[in-house]
Amino acid sequence: GAVVSQHPSRVICKSGTSVKIECRSLDFQATTMFWYRQFPKQSLMLMATSNEGSKATYEQGVEKDKFLINHASLTLSTLTVTSAHPEDSSFYICSARDRGQGYTFGSGTRLTVV
Amino acid sequence: GDSVTQMEGPVTLSEEAFLTINCTYTATGYPSLFWYVQYPGEGLQLLLKATKADDKGSNKGFEATYRKETTSFHLEKGSVQVSDSAVYFCALSDPRGGGATNKLIFGTGTLLAVQP
Repeated sequence: GAVVSQHPSRVICKSGTSVKIECRSLDFQATTMFWYRQFPKQSLMLMATSNEGSKATYEQGVEKDKFLINHASLTLSTLTVTSAHPEDSSFYICSARDRGQGYTFGSGTRLTVV
Repeated sequence: GDSVTQMEGPVTLSEEAFLTINCTYTATGYPSLFWYVQYPGEGLQLLLKATKADDKGSNKGFEATYRKETTSFHLEKGSVQVSDSAVYFCALSDPRGGGATNKLIFGTGTLLAVQP
């Protein structure tokens, strides 16, 4: 079946630094990627939708200058948390969609900002 | 807008008990419905899905039937195991997005704890 590889699985960074999270579709072309954020004991909040080769569409309330999304190829999308602060600590999950393949999720990235 | 409502957890059951997790939805179109499972510290895995009314999705002993008349997609399993302990999410795909950009709308998740 379809596999999405997400890295890193855990990252700890200092306040003010930037962190990049990668999601790669290993055996299919991901024309669309979704980025979610999950708070403890809460559901997944969609942050943005990105289509290969075009700008991401951000959900209301999500700062596009803080959460930079790049989807430069059909197999790779990245989320960069810029100038991270402790309130950005969360579990970030990507999901890829291809025509006819449904939704495949990455294993998530636990970000801790200290 | 579209939304998904799940029963609040946690749901605590003994091994081999019957499981029901309720899920209802609100949608303007004809959504596809999904159940996802999340084990501790991991991402989401598709458990089952149904794409039209009266469809029954099933996998690993879990079942859910797409009921358009009651706008429901309740998850059931006849005999749960300790290994089923996880968070279960009901979700729908937004029919208005069209094509490959349909986004998933999730319920709040229900934690299931199965005790031996």
